[in-house]
Amino acid sequence: EAGVAQSPRYKIIEKRQSVAFWCNPISGHATLYWYQQILGQGPKLLIQFQNNGVVDDSQLPKDRFSAERLKGVDSTLKIQPAKLEDSAVYLCASSDTSDEQFFGPGTRLTVL
Amino acid sequence: AQSVSQHNHHVILSEAASLELGCNYSYGGTVNLFWYVQYPGQHLQLLLKYFSGDPLVKGIKGFEAEFIKSKFSFNLRKPSVQWSDTAEYFCAVNARYSSASKIIFGSGTRLSIRP
Repeated sequence: EAGVAQSPRYKIIEKRQSVAFWCNPISGHATLYWYQQILGQGPKLLIQFQNNGVVDDSQLPKDRFSAERLKGVDSTLKIQPAKLEDSAVYLCASSDTSDEQFFGPGTRLTVL
Repeated sequence: AQSVSQHNHHVILSEAASLELGCNYSYGGTVNLFWYVQYPGQHLQLLLKYFSGDPLVKGIKGFEAEFIKSKFSFNLRKPSVQWSDTAEYFCAVNARYSSASKIIFGSGTRLSIRP
């Protein structure tokens, strides 16, 4: 089966610019997760969707980050405006009912 | 707040040595436990998981982990490591509440194997 797809793989922007990441989960997976992984740390959950509804966004900096999952399939994560501390790898994962998460390759964001 | 601790940040072993990576969590309720691995240049993948039943779980590539509820631990073990086990290992805990769940990852342990 096809895995979780993410694009772009790399992105370099200047602070105060906007950026968007895209994720296509495994077909049939109802749950989709966005994580932020800063160098040297473990993934931190930003937002979790169940179909197109938000289950948990308690760690999403809502003043600058937003995410949507229209139609319960693909998802986009946006940062506007970006700060230097947003430099990280942004991981998307999906799961069915089993709690086992399948991860995409991530998008490495560098904010200059 | 719930947390997951991985005490070893970087472990260096020789081939054929035995491995044990520690993972402790803070949550008194029901948990699902995972170990994920990230090989160089690859994305995170599941190594093994515990949901219920036998607290000793076996995963891929000869890895196993033991859930000790009284110690809030889920340590990863392998009796004889290979050079190809060089990777970063993450423990993750899914804390289950009555109406939701929350997943937290540890900070990871980098494993380097000397050939």
